Amino acid sequence: EIVLTQSPGTVSLSPGERATLSCRASQSVSRNSLAWYQQKPGHSPSLLIYGASSRATDIPDRFSGSGSGTDFTLTISRLEPEDFAVYYCQQYGSSPRTFGQGTKVEIK
Amino acid sequence: QVQLVQSGAEVKKPGASVKVSCKASGYTFIDYYIHWVRQAPGQGLEWMGWINPKSGGTNYAQKFQGSVTMTRDTSITTAYMEVSRLKSDDTALYYCARDFLGSFYFWGQGTLVTVSS
Repeated sequence: EIVLTQSPGTVSLSPGERATLSCRASQSVSRNSLAWYQQKPGHSPSLLIYGASSRATDIPDRFSGSGSGTDFTLTISRLEPEDFAVYYCQQYGSSPRTFGQGTKVEIK
Repeated sequence: QVQLVQSGAEVKKPGASVKVSCKASGYTFIDYYIHWVRQAPGQGLEWMGWINPKSGGTNYAQKFQGSVTMTRDTSITTAYMEVSRLKSDDTALYYCARDFLGSFYFWGQGTLVTVSS
């Protein structure tokens, strides 16, 4: 099973700042099959990025994904008030699909 | 538009079973796998398995083999996930999600299952 480790656990930032979230895999993720999700309190997760760097439909371009192999990054270029949430990475290149433990982006 | 609508909250006693439904609409049901993901209170996301609505084939995470059964009824475009021999640590929000190139694009609203004596 591929273990995904996200860092930091929590990051405190102000609107307009840049957020850089990391997701490290215990072994190489096949075909860069890595997704990022956003989850707000009381809501279902929503897909932001798939294939490590492809934005899902209607996702603003301030969200970008990068990386390959075992190291992946989600960058939010300029935080908007609605971006404060928990972010999860997930690999779907091998079974079982696994999620990281999440990174909370909170308002400073 | 694609929608996944799940059944309502459940309260069960330890040792009982629960069956959660996920009604799909807005797309061809048999064309996309349905996944089940759970989230314990205040915790992260945990993938449970998938069902292929076309064939009925399933793939469960090892942790859930023997305690989870995923089925579907293509006539009413509904997927089901049953958990048997419930324990208190099965208390969680259970989500269904539709596959999108391997990731999960569309999600149900979640079904809270509470296991309590």
